[in-house]
Amino acid sequence: QQQVKQSPQSLIVQKGGISIINCAYENTAFDYFPWYQQFPGKGPALLIAIRPDVSEKKEGRFTISFNKSAKQFSLHIMDSQPGDSATYFCAASIQGGSEKLVFGKGTKLTVNP
Amino acid sequence: NAGVMQNPRHLVRRRGQEARLRCSPMKGHSHVYWYRQLPEEGLKFMVYLQKENIIDESGMPKERFSAEFPKEGPSILRIQQVVRGDSAAYFCASSPPDGSYEQYFGPGTRLTVT
Repeated sequence: QQQVKQSPQSLIVQKGGISIINCAYENTAFDYFPWYQQFPGKGPALLIAIRPDVSEKKEGRFTISFNKSAKQFSLHIMDSQPGDSATYFCAASIQGGSEKLVFGKGTKLTVNP
Repeated sequence: NAGVMQNPRHLVRRRGQEARLRCSPMKGHSHVYWYRQLPEEGLKFMVYLQKENIIDESGMPKERFSAEFPKEGPSILRIQQVVRGDSAAYFCASSPPDGSYEQYFGPGTRLTVT
């Protein structure tokens, strides 16, 4: 019940295309869903996050779509650039509790020029 | 505004030695989290601390691992009698006390046990 399942494991997109990464969860107590970007040898960087009271949140080229009934959320990267090539992790947590993040296993995104 | 700082960035230990990993949270942050990342894996929660208190250690192995966040100074993750399976990247994250819940990660310590 504490798992967050992420797909695909790897993704190759052409420059200018849309990258879509999906996550699903089981625990309905989760109420905070961040996405992190990680470059090799670096720590994860917080990209964007959403709470279940909204269905979509957009920041620049990054959009989170959230489907509470399906217990799924996804990250869309519009106009993907080679500099977006990194590993992306979705996560979930329960606010007001220990707030520990439960991470998906990651998606390695490659954007070809 | 300096981010989360971790040191050392790389640590090599022989089996049976002790490893000490240090984390200084962002200025103004009083919550610290430790996560472990194995190669090609996501991050796994280990422990959540506030100043002088362990809030949640449900992800910590029962033996050899301990963590503290003293009133003064950095948070320390201590691994006694390291084994090869402890080789991983250890990340620290911090969050502010204002309830925003956003966790900001440090660059990590890459531990190699030989």
